[in-house]
Amino acid sequence: GAVVSQHPSWVICKSGTSVKIECRSLDFQATTMFWYRQFPKQSLMLMATSNEGSKATYEQGVEKDKFLINHASLTLSTLTVTSAHPEDSSFYICSARVLGLSYNEQFFGPGTRLTVL
Amino acid sequence: AQKVTQAQTEISVVEKEDVTLDCVYETRDTTYYLFWYKQPPSGELVFLIRRNSFDEQNEISGRYSWNFQKSTSSFNFTITASQVVDSAVYFCALRNGLLGGTSYGKLTFGQGTILTVHP
Repeated sequence: GAVVSQHPSWVICKSGTSVKIECRSLDFQATTMFWYRQFPKQSLMLMATSNEGSKATYEQGVEKDKFLINHASLTLSTLTVTSAHPEDSSFYICSARVLGLSYNEQFFGPGTRLTVL
Repeated sequence: AQKVTQAQTEISVVEKEDVTLDCVYETRDTTYYLFWYKQPPSGELVFLIRRNSFDEQNEISGRYSWNFQKSTSSFNFTITASQVVDSAVYFCALRNGLLGGTSYGKLTFGQGTILTVHP
């Protein structure tokens, strides 16, 4: 149980286009989802926290108009990278959390590798 | 502010050697949780362990063991008799334990340690 999926697993796009990444909790309801970004050989950096039905909370330095997050249901959150540029190329990872679900209360998706040409 | 430091950027060992990955953390919270994750080349994070700030007992799980020392703010991870399949990036992470608020549940990750186990 406690599986989180991401779609797509990888995407290549042209500079200036928008890309949407989906994060789904497959067998549980996620009250909170987190979006992380990981550049090559670097750590995971939290971009934003989204709670179902409310606006996402962005970390300092993350442009909310560029990285649009929608958490419309308890099983789906989306991250849209608008007007993507090569510097947005990265590995994007989501995680989903349910209060008191289990010993490991935050479950990570497999990640989406974005390459902007 | 919370901070996690993994001073070892890369470690290279030969199979069957024991290896310890260091993790030092900083937090002002009295209640917090520490984690270790493994990230193989595929990229997916694999949860290894969670430890809360009130439980300083060391833990062993197969070839893995963890040493939590609150006095030195360290949460080190040891792999005994390492295997090639242990090759991965290992992350130590910290989360505060306060219920509610916008920061609840946020994980602060260390820089990661790249472990390479040679046959």
